[in-house]
Amino acid sequence: DVKVTQSSRYLVKRTGEKVFLECVQDMDHENMFWYRQDPGLGLRLIYFSYDVKMKEKGDIPEGYSVSREKKERFSLILESASTNQTSMYLCASSSLEGADTQYFGPGTRLTVL
Amino acid sequence: GEDVEQSLFLSVREGDSSVINCTYTDSSSTYLYWYKQEPGAGLQLLTYIFSNMDMKQDQRLTVLLNKKDKHLSLRIADTQTGDSAIYFCAEANQAGTALIFGKGTTLSVSS
Repeated sequence: DVKVTQSSRYLVKRTGEKVFLECVQDMDHENMFWYRQDPGLGLRLIYFSYDVKMKEKGDIPEGYSVSREKKERFSLILESASTNQTSMYLCASSSLEGADTQYFGPGTRLTVL
Repeated sequence: GEDVEQSLFLSVREGDSSVINCTYTDSSSTYLYWYKQEPGAGLQLLTYIFSNMDMKQDQRLTVLLNKKDKHLSLRIADTQTGDSAIYFCAEANQAGTALIFGKGTTLSVSS
């Protein structure tokens, strides 16, 4: 069974803190994605990666960075968290062959105070 | 640019059919998708349709695709309270590297 896990379901951080969101998939997928979901805005792509150590900017990369040191793990980093980064963060993965069939993790709801 | 549009809300009674509509701009997408998000959860792939098909049926779900009008719809027959969720329509971007999602339609089912 396809499985994408995220390190936390809920996270509360303070403004200026460095935040790490971790995502792990066990399907040997090449592609991994980070989205944020906000009411009325739907899902917006932050970054994606199609291979280890590779990354591509999505639609809203500002204020974020990513790391893909191993194929199964894709980390989203908020270097200095701000209140406007309070959101639901969703990780997804897909195989190279079925690149547009994505499987999602349960999400991390991040609150920045 | 690429865009996917959906209505934001739909309210139906239990047992009725629900129809969620979506329009998209990029006709090069090989597949078009419907995802479901239950409260507090991530997105779950519900169904998809190959772009050269007009219709796909999967139990209570029927997907209709009108390529000429770039219109996609999801029909849920005999809607149940457990179908209450946000439904997202999605297509692949032109590069085929990522999905473009609509803003989601919140389906509310009353008994």
